[in-house]
Amino acid sequence: DGGITQSPKYLFRKEGQNVTLSCEQNLNHDAMYWYRQDPGQGLRLIYYSQIVNDFQKGDIAEGYSVSREKKESFPLTVTSAQKNPTAFYLCASSITGGYTFGSGTRLTVV
Amino acid sequence: AQRVTQPEKLLSVFKGAPVELKCNYSYSGSPELFWYVQYSRQRLQLLLRHISRESIKGFTADLNKGETSFHLKKPFAQEEDSAMYYCALDGNTGFQKLVFGTGTRLLVSP
Repeated sequence: DGGITQSPKYLFRKEGQNVTLSCEQNLNHDAMYWYRQDPGQGLRLIYYSQIVNDFQKGDIAEGYSVSREKKESFPLTVTSAQKNPTAFYLCASSITGGYTFGSGTRLTVV
Repeated sequence: AQRVTQPEKLLSVFKGAPVELKCNYSYSGSPELFWYVQYSRQRLQLLLRHISRESIKGFTADLNKGETSFHLKKPFAQEEDSAMYYCALDGNTGFQKLVFGTGTRLLVSP
């Protein structure tokens, strides 16, 4: 079953802790993306990667970090510097013709 | 700068009524426009893109460059159309990087 897998589905983090969200795809897509989805604000781009070992900041990269060591994987770390991390995080990949999205991770800071 | 505006947060109609979800964009070049849909408890998925000129699930959208709009229309709404709809723009610069609107929730009542 080809697609994008995000894990975990729900994640709770204590204030001051870093946490890493997983995103894996088996679609052989070069490009991968992380978006944050908040009510009333739509999807905002955090980071994106065009190819392995390369990534670029999106519109709201502060407090986040990524890596792209393998084509299939694009993990997102939410650091303690992110002031408002509670949100729904979506990973996507693309080749041409539109994105394929994962099912998302809901992060809650407690 | 690229921007997508969806002026309605919520659109409520009765089954069988026509539907129009508005989308306006600002971009100086020749963008590619998309509509994405998120049904309850499902992942975000591509509904249609302007260059394919398809009709998906009875929905159509025409790119109006003069009015910089890409409104989504359906002549007769069905209850299963209830979902969150996002309009998105790609600057067509060679690498796909979508800018999303804030979304419109469509509620179709029986």
